[in-house]
Formats: sequence, structure tokens, C-alpha cells
Amino acid sequence: DADVTQTPRNRITKTGKRIMLECSQTKGHDRMYWYRQDPGLGLRLIYYSFDVKDINKGEISDGYSVSRQAQAKFSLSLESAIPNQTALYFCATSDPGTSGRRGQETQYFGPGTRLLVL
Amino acid sequence: AQTVTQSQPEMSVQEAETVTLSCTYDTSESDYYLFWYKQPPSRQMILVIRQEAYKQQNATENRFSVNFQKAAKSFSLKISDSQLGDAAMYFCARNLRVTSGTYKYIFGTGTRLKV
Repeated sequence: DADVTQTPRNRITKTGKRIMLECSQTKGHDRMYWYRQDPGLGLRLIYYSFDVKDINKGEISDGYSVSRQAQAKFSLSLESAIPNQTALYFCATSDPGTSGRRGQETQYFGPGTRLLVL
Repeated sequence: AQTVTQSQPEMSVQEAETVTLSCTYDTSESDYYLFWYKQPPSRQMILVIRQEAYKQQNATENRFSVNFQKAAKSFSLKISDSQLGDAAMYFCARNLRVTSGTYKYIFGTGTRLKV
């Protein structure tokens, strides 16, 4: 079973609709992230959460909101979808580990959700 | 600005040959980590290799190695004995300190490798 899962894998919606993308992880990591990927722009950070009570805006949070329902679940919502939110969305997790070296954590990515807003 | 730059949108390599993907970055920190991720057509993001900035020695993982030039803020990925399965999008990334002990990640725009 995958450690980081995203649902749905693909979604088509219409302008103005509210949609939610869900992410679940079984890795036991406290830190979770949402990115969007656009051709030629790489991955850009939307929101990140270092624990259930800590949520932070990333580079491109406008038009998005998140909810950290539990350590294992981190959802991304588009309150009123617009066509320029058409993109590939990734959830990721990380853990600082126990080695004492900060910042070394690897990010583990889900399979991505391809969203098309018409 | 804390940026990561990949100046090669696309590269091509013949099977069994060697290819180098370039990455440069900005930072005002002395201790940080750099990463290369691979994204095959399945779109799954897979960690290829990681480099600790405080280490002089270049990281190596089988056919993958890096050329880390800290003063030049350069972090290139060398793939030796290229295989068809290496065809993918490759992203360079670095961590960026948010608070003491917490980090977020900055990604480059990617290089598409054709084999």
C-alpha cells in the first residue's frame, strides 16, 4: 500500500465550483505540504503544516484553503475554482528524523491529482 | 531571493552515455540541503540524491552523482550509463529554514531528460 495517498487522482470541475483534494499518509510524519505543478514553473508551495495545530501559507495560497484534520490527513480546498487553477497537485510529507541534523528530511510525495477547471 | 534555477528545459542523451543536468541556487545560509527528484511519466516524485552543504564530499547513488560547488552555488546531477528508464523530468530543490528546526522546500522549474 502507498504511504501517501491522494484522492481523487483526476478531477474535472467547472468554474465557480468548490472542490476538495484529500491527502492521507501512513508514514506517521507530522509535516505535510501541498504543491501545484505547472509546465515550465516546477513545483510551487501552496500551504504547509508542521503539526496539526500549525498551518502556514506558501508562495501561492490565494484561492486555496487547507484543513489538517489529523496527523495523517491534510486537505486542500478550492473555494471557487477558476481555470488558472488547472494543474497537477501534489501532497508531500516529511519527518526530521532522529539523527540530529536539521533540515535533512526527505519529502515523500503522493501520486498527484490532475485537476481541470473548465 | 531564495531561488533555484534550472537553465536547461530539456536534455537528450544516448543510452549508455553520460549526461549532466545543471542547477544553481541562491542562499544566505551556510548549512542547508539540496535534492534531486525524478518524475517519470507516471508523475510520481522520487528522490534521486541528497547533498548536505556542510559536507565537501559529493553525494553518489549508484549511477547518479552530484557535482556540488558551494562557493558557486551550483549543484549539478550526473547520470552515468544512461538507461531508457532514466527518461523523466528532473527537479532540483533546496530546503529553506522557516524557524529553527523547521524547513520548507524550493523547487526549480525542471529539466526534461530524453534517452
